[in-house]
Amino acid sequence: EAGVAQSPRYKIIEKRQSVAFWCNPISGHATLYWYQQILGQGPKLLIQFQNNGVVDDSQLPKDRFSAERLKGVDSTLKIQPAKLEDSAVYLCASRPGTGGSYDGYTFGSGTRLTVV
Amino acid sequence: DQQVKQNSPSLSVQEGRISILNCDYTNSMFDYFLWYKKYPAEGPTFLISISSIKDKNEDGRFTVFLNKSAKHLSLHIVPSQPGDSAVYFCAASASNAGNMLTFGGGTRLMVKP
Repeated sequence: EAGVAQSPRYKIIEKRQSVAFWCNPISGHATLYWYQQILGQGPKLLIQFQNNGVVDDSQLPKDRFSAERLKGVDSTLKIQPAKLEDSAVYLCASRPGTGGSYDGYTFGSGTRLTVV
Repeated sequence: DQQVKQNSPSLSVQEGRISILNCDYTNSMFDYFLWYKKYPAEGPTFLISISSIKDKNEDGRFTVFLNKSAKHLSLHIVPSQPGDSAVYFCAASASNAGNMLTFGGGTRLMVKP
């Protein structure tokens, strides 16, 4: 079974530029998450999708961050305009269903963003 | 407000000895706890979990203990191996909150040969 695919692996941009990250979850996984991991901290949830609907985006800075999962499969996360404090690893995760089991909750390798 | 805390940023142990990683939480609604292991340039990988109805779960060299009254859990690795060197994250979830995970800050474990 292929894992969660993310691209690009690395991105360096100047502040105030825009950037987009892409995630392709494991086939058939209904639930998709985007997490932000700042260096030295644990991952923090930004947004959760169930199929193509948003379940929780309470921690997404909506003035600059946006995310979509139009067909309920792959997803993009966008930052516009970027700030220095957005430098982090952006992790995508997916799992099969929406119930209580954490079986199959799988992370991608992440995109490391550096804003200069 | 940090709901899940790992107060030791790093831990160094000798190969063959026990590694004990600790985690504290504040949200009494958390009812499921997980440990993830992370190598550099990779995403976190699931290691072991425990439901709040249990106080111990064991899987090979890894055992997780949960003390609900103290809101504390720990991960024991016995015996520790050099390949266990990684960053370990404690995570917690509440079943009434969409199963999103709240992570601690991580503990870097170094197992010396």
